[in-house]
Amino acid sequence: AQRVTQPEKLLSVFKGAPVELKCNYSYSGSPELFWYVQYSRQRLQLLLRHISRESIKGFTADLNKGETSFHLKKPFAQEEDSAMYYCAPPTGANSKLTFGKGITLSVRP
Amino acid sequence: DAGITQSPRYKITETGRQVTLMCHQTWSHSYMFWYRQDLGHGLRLIYYSAAADITDKGEVPDGYVVSRSKTENFPLTLESATRSQTSVYFCATGLAGVTGELFFGEGSRLTVL
Repeated sequence: AQRVTQPEKLLSVFKGAPVELKCNYSYSGSPELFWYVQYSRQRLQLLLRHISRESIKGFTADLNKGETSFHLKKPFAQEEDSAMYYCAPPTGANSKLTFGKGITLSVRP
Repeated sequence: DAGITQSPRYKITETGRQVTLMCHQTWSHSYMFWYRQDLGHGLRLIYYSAAADITDKGEVPDGYVVSRSKTENFPLTLESATRSQTSVYFCATGLAGVTGELFFGEGSRLTVL
């Protein structure tokens, strides 16, 4: 099964501090991973995906096959980054798409 | 262009009652999912469907029933609601294939008294 693990539940930082939200995966094939974000009282939405290698709202995520990790990073956190973040594998045939437990990011002024 | 809609958005019911949460999409995405979101547990998959008339259990299916007679609808029924089913329920759709992403509804907040 394609599984991801988010080892931390909460990360609290001050505005301007670097952020790293951790995600580890267990895969048998080539992984394609996603980060989703849920702002307060909003629906979950895609933040970024591994395959596109993009930077969204200053966030990046690098796939490290040696460490089987897909950590989400931002060099300077902003208050509007406060949200719940979920790491997830892709949909696919016979895939029970199971999210990580999520991590709450709190950015203090 | 609503995309994916869930109804009702808020529901209060009593233990033992049957409740159905509706999910409707306008995209014709093949995959549909039901998740529940609880503090400390994150998102947990209840059921999913790869296509019309094809459904399968997720992590926490007990106490829930789903059907998918049409591609666009994926109702979730709690046959006899329990307090432990108090939660926020999210429906999501997705395209098949390893590059697919999920599109979420706004959620349905269910309280079982």
